[in-house]
Amino acid sequence: EAEVAQSPRYKITEKSQAVAFWCDPISGHATLYWYRQILGQGPELLVQFQDESVVDDSQLPKDRFSAERLKGVDSTLKIQPAELGDSAMYLCASSLDKGVANEQFFGPGTRLTVL
Amino acid sequence: KQEVTQIPAALSVPEGENLVLNCSFTDSAIYNLQWFRQDPGKGLTSLLLIQSSQREQTSGRLNASLDKSSGRSTLYIAASQPGDSATYLCAVSNAGNMLTFGGGTRLMVKP
Repeated sequence: EAEVAQSPRYKITEKSQAVAFWCDPISGHATLYWYRQILGQGPELLVQFQDESVVDDSQLPKDRFSAERLKGVDSTLKIQPAELGDSAMYLCASSLDKGVANEQFFGPGTRLTVL
Repeated sequence: KQEVTQIPAALSVPEGENLVLNCSFTDSAIYNLQWFRQDPGKGLTSLLLIQSSQREQTSGRLNASLDKSSGRSTLYIAASQPGDSATYLCAVSNAGNMLTFGGGTRLMVKP
C-alpha cells in the first residue's frame, strides 16, 4: 500500500542548531503539505505545495523556517536556528491534487526535541 | 478565521459502549470534513471524509454525520473496543484543500 514517507522519525537537537526533515509523498500526488503539531493540540498547516510551487506559506515563520520541493516530488523542511518552542511533531501529508474532493494522507511524522 | 472545537477533550468508556464525539466549526463555508485517528507518537490515519454536499459517511463501526449549516459534525463509534483507544481529530477544508484541525478527543476504552 502506498504511504507517505518521512525521515528522520526522531530528532534531538540543541537550540541554535539547524535541522532538516524530509518527506516523500505518495507517488503521483501533486499536492504536499507540512504541518506542525504541538503536544496535546491539533496540527497546524505550515506550507502547501502544488508540484514545485508554494500555494500557501502564510503560517510559516520565514525568519527561521524554509521549505522546498525542487522537482515537485519529495520535499525538505528546514529550521535554522532551532528554538525551544520548535519542539513538536512535524507531519507531512499529500493528496492527488489541491481540489476540494481530495483526501489528505499523512506520514508517520518527525518528532523534534530542542534542548 | 476558521476555528474548530472538539468536545469532549477526553473520554473514558467501558468496552462495548456506543459513543459520540463532537466537532464544531465557526465558518460553514467548508468543502469537506475529515475525521482522523492518531495513536500516541504516530501520524494521522484518515477514517472518513464527508464532502460538503453529503450528510454522512459510514465505515464499519464508524459513522460520521455533517450538518454544514449549523457547523457541526459527529463521529459515532458502535460497540467500542480497547483497540479504539486513540486521539480522534476532525478537520475542515477550504477551497484550496487546506485543513483546519480541532484539538482532538482522547478516547480510552477500558476492557
